[in-house]
Order: sequence, then C-alpha cells, then structure tokens
Amino acid sequence: QKEVEQDPGPLSVPEGAIVSLNCTYSNSAFQYFMWYRQYSRKGPELLMYTYSSGNKEDGRFTAQVDKSSKYISLFIRDSQPSDSATYLCAMKVDYGQNFVFGPGTRLSVLP
Amino acid sequence: DTEVTQTPKHLVMGMTNKKSLKCEQHMGHRAMYWYKQKAKKPPELMFVYSYEKLSINESVPSRFSPECPNSSLLNLHLHALQPEDSALYLCASSQEQGAFTEAFFGQGTRLTVV
Repeated sequence: QKEVEQDPGPLSVPEGAIVSLNCTYSNSAFQYFMWYRQYSRKGPELLMYTYSSGNKEDGRFTAQVDKSSKYISLFIRDSQPSDSATYLCAMKVDYGQNFVFGPGTRLSVLP
Repeated sequence: DTEVTQTPKHLVMGMTNKKSLKCEQHMGHRAMYWYKQKAKKPPELMFVYSYEKLSINESVPSRFSPECPNSSLLNLHLHALQPEDSALYLCASSQEQGAFTEAFFGQGTRLTVV
C-alpha cells in the first residue's frame, strides 16, 4: 500500500462546477497537510496548508482534513478553465523533514 | 516574498559534461530540498539540507552532488549523467520547525541528457 493515495484522473468538469479532490493516507503521524497546483512543465504552487484536523478556506478553495479517517479533501468552487492543472496533496509528520506527495490528480475545466 | 528562484530554467547536457543547478531563497528558511520529477509523476525527494548540513540523502547516485554554501543558496552539481536522468529538478525550502512548515517550490530546471 502506498503511503499516500490519490485518484490520478483525469477529471473533467464544466466551468462553474464544484470540484472535489481527495487523498487518503496510511501514516497516522502526519500532521501537516498541503495542496499544490502544478501546471505543465512548472514547479508546484502551494494552494492550501492545514495543520492537524479541520477546515480552511481561501477564496474559492476549501481544504478539509479528517485525521480519524486519514482523508483530506480540496474543494474548488466556481471552477475556471485556468484551474486546469495537476493537483498534488503532500503531507509531513511533526518536525519531520520529508514531504510525502500523492501521485496527483489531473483536472480539466472545460469552458 | 515567497519566491524560490532556480537557474537555469532549461539545460541540455551531454553524458560527459559537468554542470550545476542553482537555487536561491530569501525567506529565512533553514531547510532546503532537491526533488526530481519525471513526467506525470509526483516529485521524488533527493536531498534535504537542514541548517546548511546534509540531513537526508535518498540513496541518490554519486553523479549528483549537492552543496549548500550558505543558508540562502543550494546547488546541485551534475557529472556523467545518463539519459534516464532527464527530468524536472525542483528546489524547495521550508522553515525547519514550528507550525509554519509548508514547502515552497521553485519553477524547476528542465534537464535533458543527450
């Protein structure tokens, strides 16, 4: 079993749709959870960062962490074609140095 | 400023060449990372520097040689690479400890070994 699992997609949605992206993980010691957006041939761009459980909202993006289920989600409201990218979840244990990435989900938002 | 700057953006090198990738950050971060990313795959950790000392080497071949001259700079020296080493090389940085430990990535160096 991989440490972090993520549906690779591709996921295609119409413009304006609500998008739900998810990751599951096996290491209960993970405390820091991040979502990155990566456009083709570019570096990952940090979108959301959450410590431990709970929700966090930033504009059209909402991140949720459910540590009891070892499950994290990223919701994108009013999706735009410019949101078309690969979305990577990443996580880290407290005071750990290695960020463990999920395989990424490719999202296409169709105009 | 949450910027990590990598140079060059693109690099083509022969298998007998020696080249270096450079990374710079001015966020006061004390942990810096090199990742390798192949197409349609997530980044894979290569090296971690903590307070300018190498703390993690993920069994990377010796043809890759990292260097951290100071707290703002990170280099990756390349020598005698193989075509399968062609990839996007990403530098990242983060605070060493505390609650704000998210990693910020540079735009990467796209390396092609011919």
